[in-house]
Amino acid sequence: EAQVTQNPRYLITVTGKKLTVTCSQNMNHEYMSWYRQDPGLGLRQIYYSMNVEVTDKGDVPEGYKVSRKEKRNFPLILESPSPNQTSLYFCASSTLAGGGETQYFGPGTRLLVL
Amino acid sequence: KQEVTQIPAALSVPEGENLVLNCSFTDSAIYNLQWFRQDPGKGLTSLLLIQSSQREQTSGRLNASLDKSSGRSTLYIAASQPGDSATYLCAALDSSYKLIFGSGTRLLVRP
Repeated sequence: EAQVTQNPRYLITVTGKKLTVTCSQNMNHEYMSWYRQDPGLGLRQIYYSMNVEVTDKGDVPEGYKVSRKEKRNFPLILESPSPNQTSLYFCASSTLAGGGETQYFGPGTRLLVL
Repeated sequence: KQEVTQIPAALSVPEGENLVLNCSFTDSAIYNLQWFRQDPGKGLTSLLLIQSSQREQTSGRLNASLDKSSGRSTLYIAASQPGDSATYLCAALDSSYKLIFGSGTRLLVRP
């Protein structure tokens, strides 16, 4: 089954404790990206990657890091989380063939930073 | 900088009505425009994708159109049902391959 998986689905942590949210896709997609969704602000792109070892900043990259060492994985790293990073996070992937196709989204990770 | 706007922010209609959701974007240099559905507390489900070279796409009771010159896309839902109640989001893939979302339209279809 074609899917994007994220782990963990729920996470409660404390300020300053490094964490990683994993994202994996099984569709051999070139394009992967991370978003955060906040009430009243909608979905905003954090980082995106067009292929292995190629990453670019989205609209809200501050406080986040990503890496793309393998095509299927695109982890989101919060080196020193702060309460303003409490949010619902989504990972997505798509092929870039034809200029870009359907974005497939993961189920989301709900993060609470105390 | 690309900006995507959706109007209305919320909509309540009786079952059976045909309805139109609007999405506008400021920069016509896009690769595609996609419509999603999001149920409360859930992820996003892709409904329709329109490539920049296309004018419309249809899937069942849904029809999406794209007019790049005016910076607009519409999602038409025919014969609405209570199960259509959800938030509908549009997103434009811009020339830098950034995906920019609108803030969504929250739809309630009353039985």
